Amino acid sequence: GAGVSQSPSNKVTEKGKDVELRCDPISGHTALYWYRQSLGQGLEFLIYFQGNSAPDKSGLPSDRFSAERTGGSVSTLTIQRTQQEDSAVYLCASSLDRITYEQYFGPGTRLTVT
Amino acid sequence: AQSVTQLGSHVSVSEGALVLLRCNYSSSVPPYLFWYVQYPNQGLQLLLKYTTGATLVKGINGFEAEFKKSETSFHLTKPSAHMSDAAEYFCAVTVGTSGSRLTFGEGTQLTVNP
Repeated sequence: GAGVSQSPSNKVTEKGKDVELRCDPISGHTALYWYRQSLGQGLEFLIYFQGNSAPDKSGLPSDRFSAERTGGSVSTLTIQRTQQEDSAVYLCASSLDRITYEQYFGPGTRLTVT
Repeated sequence: AQSVTQLGSHVSVSEGALVLLRCNYSSSVPPYLFWYVQYPNQGLQLLLKYTTGATLVKGINGFEAEFKKSETSFHLTKPSAHMSDAAEYFCAVTVGTSGSRLTFGEGTQLTVNP
């Protein structure tokens, strides 16, 4: 079946602009995670969604970052007023439920802030 | 909080030689451990996982890892390296909080020489 998909695959934006990154999880997966991969920080957790529960936003680096998940499926990560330090690969992963430890990752969105 | 340390950011082996990538973890509760592989410009692919039960776990592409609680280690091995094994490898841990949010090591870049 289809895996996790992310769009766009690459995004170049100017400093100060807002960007939206999209994630389509595997159908039927109720848990969804966003991670960020950058040269300086490695792979770091950003946010976790489980079904209709309130998301765990504890990994978001600043209030410029927000995310939503509509209808328990597609998720959008929004970065407002982008800064150069936001340049990274943003990875989305999904798993069947909150207690299934196997996460399936999408190919990522490479964000470059100029 | 849990953490992961990968010893050696770069490992180089000859084709046909043993691959050994080291991972040590820190966790106050029983951990669940994973190895992921990342090929250039791709997302993360799960190689293998330890949750409960047998401490020697086998994964895809001939890799295996052994969970050693006394040594807080989860080293990844493969008896004979293949050119296609060249990639970056990440060790990760979860303790089941925030769903299964993963804490990753810094990664080890594996080079396989002909």
